[in-house]
Amino acid sequence: DAGVIQSPRHEVTEMGQEVTLRCKPISGHNSLFWYRQTMMRGLELLIYFNNNVPIDDSGMPEDRFSAKMPNASFSTLKIQPSEPRDSAVYFCASSFEGPPLHFGNGTRLTVT
Amino acid sequence: AQSVTQLDSQVPVFEEAPVELRCNYSSSVSVYLFWYVQYPNQGLQLLLKYLSGSTLVKGINGFEAEFNKSQTSFHLRKPSVHISDTAEYFCAVSSSGSARQLTFGSGTQLTVLP
Repeated sequence: DAGVIQSPRHEVTEMGQEVTLRCKPISGHNSLFWYRQTMMRGLELLIYFNNNVPIDDSGMPEDRFSAKMPNASFSTLKIQPSEPRDSAVYFCASSFEGPPLHFGNGTRLTVT
Repeated sequence: AQSVTQLDSQVPVFEEAPVELRCNYSSSVSVYLFWYVQYPNQGLQLLLKYLSGSTLVKGINGFEAEFNKSQTSFHLRKPSVHISDTAEYFCAVSSSGSARQLTFGSGTQLTVLP
């Protein structure tokens, strides 16, 4: 298995632009997680899905952030409009009926 | 709610020496405990986990951890480290009733010196 695949690996955008991060979980996994990692705040859970349904989005910072999982093999995290304080590494992770076991290599987002 | 404290932000150690990375947690309910490793520019990998049963848990790459309920600790140990163990290590906790929702510690950077 190729593992959890995230794209792009790096994204540089200007403040105000829309950003879309993508994730393909491991086949057969039914739980998908989006995390954000910064030096100041460490690893934060943004949202997680179970069987494609959002279960807990209490970690989503504000309405500018949205996440979707249209099917079992794909999820997106969208930021619109983006702000410099959104700069971070965003990780996607997946598992089967449990906590995140497999993480992708992350998307490093820089908003200028 | 639960929280995790990793007492050391950086741990330098010489190759082939033993190492212990400390983790303490607080929770009012039963917990599951985890250690993850993050190599540069990569995502996290699960090293080991404690769900129930034996308090001594063995993981990958020769690491082990011991759950101590009375001291609310879950310290990670390895008897002899290699240069390749240089990475950041994260302790995490979840409640047994909500295993998917992990709370991570702030991480410990382990640097193995030649």
